[in-house]
Amino acid sequence: NAGVMQNPRHLVRRRGQEARLRCSPMKGHSHVYWYRQLPEEGLKFMVYLQKENIIDESGMPKERFSAEFPKEGPSILRIQQVVRGDSAAYFCASSLTGGAGELFFGEGSRLTVL
Amino acid sequence: GEDVEQSLFLSVREGDSSVINCTYTDSSSTYLYWYKQEPGAGLQLLTYIFSNMDMKQDQRLTVLLNKKDKHLSLRIADTQTGDSAIYFCAEGPLAGANNLFFGTGTRLTVIP
Repeated sequence: NAGVMQNPRHLVRRRGQEARLRCSPMKGHSHVYWYRQLPEEGLKFMVYLQKENIIDESGMPKERFSAEFPKEGPSILRIQQVVRGDSAAYFCASSLTGGAGELFFGEGSRLTVL
Repeated sequence: GEDVEQSLFLSVREGDSSVINCTYTDSSSTYLYWYKQEPGAGLQLLTYIFSNMDMKQDQRLTVLLNKKDKHLSLRIADTQTGDSAIYFCAEGPLAGANNLFFGTGTRLTVIP
């Protein structure tokens, strides 16, 4: 009975490189959310996806960030040309029907940009 | 925009009560949540309270809501070492997880 699986748990990148973070939702869940936690800040919503669709990306930075949730496979959060300010913990959550009261979170992926 | 604030750290002795506080700014919040994150694990929903309630109790957990002051607290009675974790306060609607706003989290350390 696997929960939300995120990988990698830790990722180190140099400035200008690309970072790819993966999230496999709980079995049967088709709603996926990405949150970002900058140092000493709360989790901030980034993007909400259902299979093959981006439902709400109002929290995503306008440039360099993209997300997808293909028909098969995990959801991917992609950050191109990373900068030091991208260093953060990125959390993925899934839910069965989209309700906030039933979110299940992964352990997070911690990105460090050197 | 919405703002949710928590203190970063709290230490208590085993057996004492812990009180974790949270303030928020959005007066239209319908639900307020407490999540727990244990070391190496994801956030887990502990409890939530509807904004027209003052209190909710669930075993060792008591949630108090002062809507006038926009203040939420989580009290853990008889705190155990297994309660050591980061506790996140969040506010938003019941539906629409894309509208949740989280605090910074309070790291609770229980001293044996």
